[in-house]
Amino acid sequence: EAQVTQNPRYLITVTGKKLTVTCSQNMNHEYMSWYRQDPGLGLRQIYYSMNVEVTDKGDVPEGYKVSRKEKRNFPLILESPSPNQTSLYFCASSSTAQEEKLFFGSGTQLSVL
Amino acid sequence: RKEVEQDPGPFNVPEGATVAFNCTYSNSASQSFFWYRQDCRKEPKLLMSVYSSGNEDGRFTAQLNRASQYISLLIRDSKLSDSATYLCVVNDYKLSFGAGTTVTVRA
Repeated sequence: EAQVTQNPRYLITVTGKKLTVTCSQNMNHEYMSWYRQDPGLGLRQIYYSMNVEVTDKGDVPEGYKVSRKEKRNFPLILESPSPNQTSLYFCASSSTAQEEKLFFGSGTQLSVL
Repeated sequence: RKEVEQDPGPFNVPEGATVAFNCTYSNSASQSFFWYRQDCRKEPKLLMSVYSSGNEDGRFTAQLNRASQYISLLIRDSKLSDSATYLCVVNDYKLSFGAGTTVTVRA
């Protein structure tokens, strides 16, 4: 089944404790992206990747890191989480950057205490 | 001004009713437009693209008004299963998401 797998679904952590949210897609998509969703603000792009070893900042990259060492995986890393990073996170992929149908993972609800 | 703005609602309608709502965008050079559906903090899913000539998919009709820079979504004969948040998405070299319009269909 074609899908984007995102883990964990829920995560509670404390300020400053490094964490990684994993994202994997099995559709051989070139383009992958991370979003955060906050009430009243819609989805905002954190980072995106056009292909392996190619990553770029989105609209709200501060406090986040990503890597794209393999085509299928695009982990989101929070080196030192802070409470303002409490949010709902979605990973998404599409066949190319120009392909506008995004396939989303099931989301990660992160709470930073 | 936000790039994409939507009335958050909620729009509470009875089953069988017609509900319609708009989304405005700020960049007149925007290339393409979409509606995504999101159920209760689950992942968004593409509902339909919005073409210049307007398009229809079953009970759903999407329209684009470039002159006034808005797109619309109309749902006819509402079903309980239509209850969701509808996200407007605009492509102006990157995808910009609206905050969503919540629709609740009641029995």
